[in-house]
Amino acid sequence: DAKTTQPNSMESNEEEPVHLPCNHSTISGTDYIHWYRQLPSQGPEYVIHGLTSNVNNRMASLAIAEDRKSSTLILHRATLRDAAVYYCILRDVENAGNMLTFGGGTRLMVKP
Amino acid sequence: NAGVTQTPKFQVLKTGQSMTLQCAQDMNHEYMSWYRQDPGMGLRLIHYSVGAGITDQGEVPNGYNVSRSTTEDFPLRLLSAAPSQTSVYFCASSYLTANTEAFFGQGTRLTVV
Repeated sequence: DAKTTQPNSMESNEEEPVHLPCNHSTISGTDYIHWYRQLPSQGPEYVIHGLTSNVNNRMASLAIAEDRKSSTLILHRATLRDAAVYYCILRDVENAGNMLTFGGGTRLMVKP
Repeated sequence: NAGVTQTPKFQVLKTGQSMTLQCAQDMNHEYMSWYRQDPGMGLRLIHYSVGAGITDQGEVPNGYNVSRSTTEDFPLRLLSAAPSQTSVYFCASSYLTANTEAFFGQGTRLTVV
């Protein structure tokens, strides 16, 4: 299974943009790139996903490199509520189980 | 629309006791799964199901059983609880396609003494 690599932790100031990187050099053509986040004492929640093109939604933007070997989750204005662990996950359309395999994620700390 | 509902939220068991963690979803999702999360760690897959009557093992299945008799429910059974099973358990569900989001329950915090 294709794996992802993320920094263990990052810091940001409140109301500034945050760029969370993810490397997935062994990604296959059928892998979707998903991002989830886990707030303290809560279950993971979906943030965004994409295949090849950049994606925007109300929570964040996803920038995907042209070769798809890396991606970046962009939070346009970090708030204290965005402090969480962010997971970058590849989901394979050809895998009947479509399992979400979690790595260690990036712990984002937001300073007021 | 309740999403994914897990019960109970908290549970304390004695070593050797058995119990069932309940998970229900009302979104008609084919795919359901159970994860455990130990302190400071990521989620590890225990068992998953791609539809009623179909289950399979994940990364850490030992000590756990599952069944999927309906689309809505996916209970996780601990046959003989051990302290090593102290963890937070999350249930997730989604449609059976990679181009869709998964939904997670709020978790069951289990302590085995």
